[in-house]
Amino acid sequence: AQSVTQLGSHVSVSEGALVLLRCNYSSSVPPYLFWYVQYPNQGLQLLLKYTTGATLVKGINGFEAEFKKSETSFHLTKPSAHMSDAAEYFCAGGGTSYGKLTFGQGTILTVHP
Amino acid sequence: DGGITQSPKYLFRKEGQNVTLSCEQNLNHDAMYWYRQDPGQGLRLIYYSQIVNDFQKGDIAEGYSVSREKKESFPLTVTSAQKNPTAFYLCASSRGEWEQFFGPGTRLTVL
Repeated sequence: AQSVTQLGSHVSVSEGALVLLRCNYSSSVPPYLFWYVQYPNQGLQLLLKYTTGATLVKGINGFEAEFKKSETSFHLTKPSAHMSDAAEYFCAGGGTSYGKLTFGQGTILTVHP
Repeated sequence: DGGITQSPKYLFRKEGQNVTLSCEQNLNHDAMYWYRQDPGQGLRLIYYSQIVNDFQKGDIAEGYSVSREKKESFPLTVTSAQKNPTAFYLCASSRGEWEQFFGPGTRLTVL
């Protein structure tokens, strides 16, 4: 079965610290991977996507993610956290059916001053 | 500006009532999706449509119905058969690539 797993439902960092949000996918998930961000009571906004090509993907707001096929991982990082980064983050993978995505459970990021 | 609109933003339903959530997009996307979001459970797919007049059940379709009479519109009806409808509902669309664009959501509460 296809699955996307986010390790850690809550992550807390200090402002200026490294942000690392972990995502692993099952090998049955085709390598179309995405990170989305959701602010309270809003829809999801695409941060970045991996389809094919370069394994290091740069996104908006200083975020980036590295696709590691050998580890079936697609972790999201940002070198220096900002207060405005506090939100919930979702990792998602392309399914075998046209356009369907499988979402992880989400990770809530808290940024302390 | 192109985008996806959902209405209403907040909706209250009495038990036994059917309610319809609106989703409209002007992105000229072929595919549209409905998700349900509950705390700690991520997004779960209710229904999706790849083309006008055609749609498929997702993972949790019981108690919901949809229609796709126009490319721009994909309304979701939450029927009285849905026993626990209180949730945040998100509509999305895509044009064939895997990337999906999301609307702002509708929060449904059962009174």
